Amino acid sequence: EVQLVQSGTEVKKPGESLKISCKGSGYSFTNYWIGWVRQMPGKGLEWMGIIYPGDSDTRYSPSFQGQVTISVDKSIRTAYLQWSSLKASDTAMYYCAKHLIPAREEEAFDIWGQGTMVTVSS
Amino acid sequence: QSALTQPASVSGSPGQSITISCTGTSSDVGGYNYVSWYQQHPGKAPKFMIYDVSKRPSGVSNRFSGSKSGNTASLTISGLQAEDEADYYCSSYTSSSTWVFGGGTKLTVL
Repeated sequence: EVQLVQSGTEVKKPGESLKISCKGSGYSFTNYWIGWVRQMPGKGLEWMGIIYPGDSDTRYSPSFQGQVTISVDKSIRTAYLQWSSLKASDTAMYYCAKHLIPAREEEAFDIWGQGTMVTVSS
Repeated sequence: QSALTQPASVSGSPGQSITISCTGTSSDVGGYNYVSWYQQHPGKAPKFMIYDVSKRPSGVSNRFSGSKSGNTASLTISGLQAEDEADYYCSSYTSSSTWVFGGGTKLTVL
């Protein structure tokens, strides 16, 4: 079974750093683009960026460029989303998802993780 | 890059058909046949429903169909059922080699 399993709920203070994870299984992890999507409370989906585990090629939404870092460790089949200094406005659910077809970032997200809730509050 | 434009809400009675529109520009929806649609029930992760404008993944009911004309894509749900009540999001590949989502549409089954 193809699965993406994300790390658990996080509660952090403003200014703290954070790295959340997304572990893939049941497919050839290095060959499929994998991305991150933000959903703020009560709001819609926002595309943040994607990474190709095979060579770590990365694309960012202009809205998130410089605000977060997407990385991958293909040896343990895990993608990451990290912040160096969290803000209250980063409070949201974060989903990872993989693309449908190998090496094709133009194709849709087919499999989604269960989501990681991040709460940033003083 | 701006979000694609979707109606905030649509509604229909069981058995009816509804259509959700998704309007972008020539740099996204109009420029590529890489439009996808996702269904999200409250508290759940999104589910992949349509890709490449009109293709249905295996396991998705044939009551769901997609189309595109110019800069506007559409999702049609026929034979509306209670379990179709959810939020629906369109998404498109863009000329910047990124993706953009629509603002989402809440479907209410009356």
